[in-house]
Amino acid sequence: NAGVTQTPKFQVLKTGQSMTLQCAQDMNHNSMYWYRQDPGMGLRLIYYSASEGTTDKGEVPNGYNVSRLNKREFSLRLESAAPSQTSVYFCASRVYGEDYGYTFGSGTRLTVV
Amino acid sequence: QQQVKQSPQSLIVQKGGISIINCAYENTAFDYFPWYQQFPGKGPALLIAIRPDVSEKKEGRFTISFNKSAKQFSLHIMDSQPGDSATYFCAAKGGNKLVFGAGTILRVKS
Repeated sequence: NAGVTQTPKFQVLKTGQSMTLQCAQDMNHNSMYWYRQDPGMGLRLIYYSASEGTTDKGEVPNGYNVSRLNKREFSLRLESAAPSQTSVYFCASRVYGEDYGYTFGSGTRLTVV
Repeated sequence: QQQVKQSPQSLIVQKGGISIINCAYENTAFDYFPWYQQFPGKGPALLIAIRPDVSEKKEGRFTISFNKSAKQFSLHIMDSQPGDSATYFCAAKGGNKLVFGAGTILRVKS
């Protein structure tokens, strides 16, 4: 099925461990986004990539890095996980320049203990 | 500091009633205002959206009302159904970025 695929769906990390969250879309979208969702705070933008080859910081980038591997894939890396990074992470994509329809993946639930 | 303020945090409505969720923003550069619906364990999905040059948009039972001068917009769900029970997010787009409200948990009682 066409859409945004995120892996893994669930992950538990120990404080200080590192991991990469993967995101891939097959809709030929230019722009891709990483958000985190926390109770009572909505979705907050971590990083985004307006087009292949570019990345920019969002509202809450500290503690994260991203890589736009190609047009399809946009990964989010936690170098040294902290309990404050316990959250649900969503990847989204859209066609650059068009407003209609940010498409979201189903999320990765990350717990840092 | 939340750029888009959403209220209420939670809402309980009887089946057949009207659900109303409100949002307010400050940044006049925002140029697109979508609403997203999210079911447990799923990602948000676009429900309905409006541009600031339109005061109202209706799609089925869902209506957005937009007040540009007050910098407010709201979602109305008519004839609310138990299947509408979900979390609703308002959002606003500025440049390449979408900013979300904190979300409203809607429960429709049958």
